Amino acid sequence: KQEVTQIPAALSVPEGENLVLNCSFTDSAIYNLQWFRQDPGKGLTSLLLIQSSQREQTSGRLNASLDKSSGRSTLYIAASQPGDSATYLCAAGDFGNEKLTFGTGTRLTIIP
Amino acid sequence: GAVVSQHPSRVICKSGTSVKIECRSLDFQATTMFWYRQFPKKSLMLMATSNEGSKATYEQGVEKDKFLINHASLTLSTLTVTSAHPEDSSFYICSAAHRQGFLCTFGSGTRLTVV
Repeated sequence: KQEVTQIPAALSVPEGENLVLNCSFTDSAIYNLQWFRQDPGKGLTSLLLIQSSQREQTSGRLNASLDKSSGRSTLYIAASQPGDSATYLCAAGDFGNEKLTFGTGTRLTIIP
Repeated sequence: GAVVSQHPSRVICKSGTSVKIECRSLDFQATTMFWYRQFPKKSLMLMATSNEGSKATYEQGVEKDKFLINHASLTLSTLTVTSAHPEDSSFYICSAAHRQGFLCTFGSGTRLTVV
């Protein structure tokens, strides 16, 4: 059974700093790895999707990497802004279906 | 882009009553929809997978008679929490998979409070 863990559970950084969020998964046989953002009391917004054959994806200030062999993914946020404050979730996608196993999330606070 | 509408966004009900939550894909056909539950400060836990025209597949530990799922069309899935109890209070989120590919779009979630 796939298990996804995110460290740290919470993170506070001053505005303008670069930061890295970590995600680890136990079963490397994944179809894809996704990063989501969740604002308090809201649904999920997809940020980046990395297929199993890819190593990274970039969108604006966000860069996500994937290392299947070590069971790890990272989300890099450059030049952080207060608007980046949210909970970030990673999710591993199963082969053969669209099931996602979510991590525990990292609650990010950017201090103005 | 793909949009999934989920409503109600918030509902308060009395113990013993039933609550229905709708999940609609607005501009695409969703052969598969997923229902998740999220406890405060916890991650999303998959409850069940519903495929259009067939019975839903429930995850281990999820009571199928408690959480009724209907996926009658390619654009609509419903989750009915029957005989709700306070412990059913939670945040429920649906997602819909596009007919082609494995990208899922999530609804905005429903906050259920059972009093």
